[in-house]
Amino acid sequence: DIQMTQSPSTLSASVGDRVTITCRASQSISSWLAWYQQKPGKAPKLLIYQASSLESGVPSRFSGRGSGTEFTLTISSLQPDDFATYYCQQYNSYPDTFGQGTKLEIK
Amino acid sequence: QITLKESGPTLVKPTQTLTLTCTFSGFSLSTVGVGVGWIRQPPGKALEWLTLIYWDDDKRYSPSLKSRLTVTKDTSRNQVVLTMTNMDPVDTATYYCAHRKYDGRFDFWGQGTLVTVSS
Repeated sequence: DIQMTQSPSTLSASVGDRVTITCRASQSISSWLAWYQQKPGKAPKLLIYQASSLESGVPSRFSGRGSGTEFTLTISSLQPDDFATYYCQQYNSYPDTFGQGTKLEIK
Repeated sequence: QITLKESGPTLVKPTQTLTLTCTFSGFSLSTVGVGVGWIRQPPGKALEWLTLIYWDDDKRYSPSLKSRLTVTKDTSRNQVVLTMTNMDPVDTATYYCAHRKYDGRFDFWGQGTLVTVSS
């Protein structure tokens, strides 16, 4: 299985901050990476697919970059609604695998 | 508008078999490229991919759980059924089904159903 490692595990930030979350794959996954946002008690919500494509309806302050083994999710200016847990997922090869999550907290 | 909803027991005993149904609308599982996946999440932990079934009945399973999982589809009823045998307390989790788009992304998810394994 391909291992996905996110960093940091927890991130404290303030409204208006620019934040970046990193996801590393144990082997190349080309650009087959998605990012999800999850709030407590809710299902994950797709933000980014194919590493850098913004899902319809997702605010443009979210952006994704990377290919191969290193990927980033950036939120350009944090809004109160953005405090949540974020997961990366590779779908280059079966089984799909998820990162362990990054919890974005209010500083 | 694509929607999915999971249904099934909220409590199962150890060694029992779990059967969950994903009932969906807004798409057909006979459309080329489309799939439905199952993902679970133990309380406070990360997401874990379980299985995927495609429009052509191609099925993929997590290797670590393959011996315990079966996924089937009923295209006419817009349902996908997940069966997991020999349930254990470590299988306690929220189980989600999700729409798999042709390009691989899970773009729509069900609300999830919490399954507790306890005697």
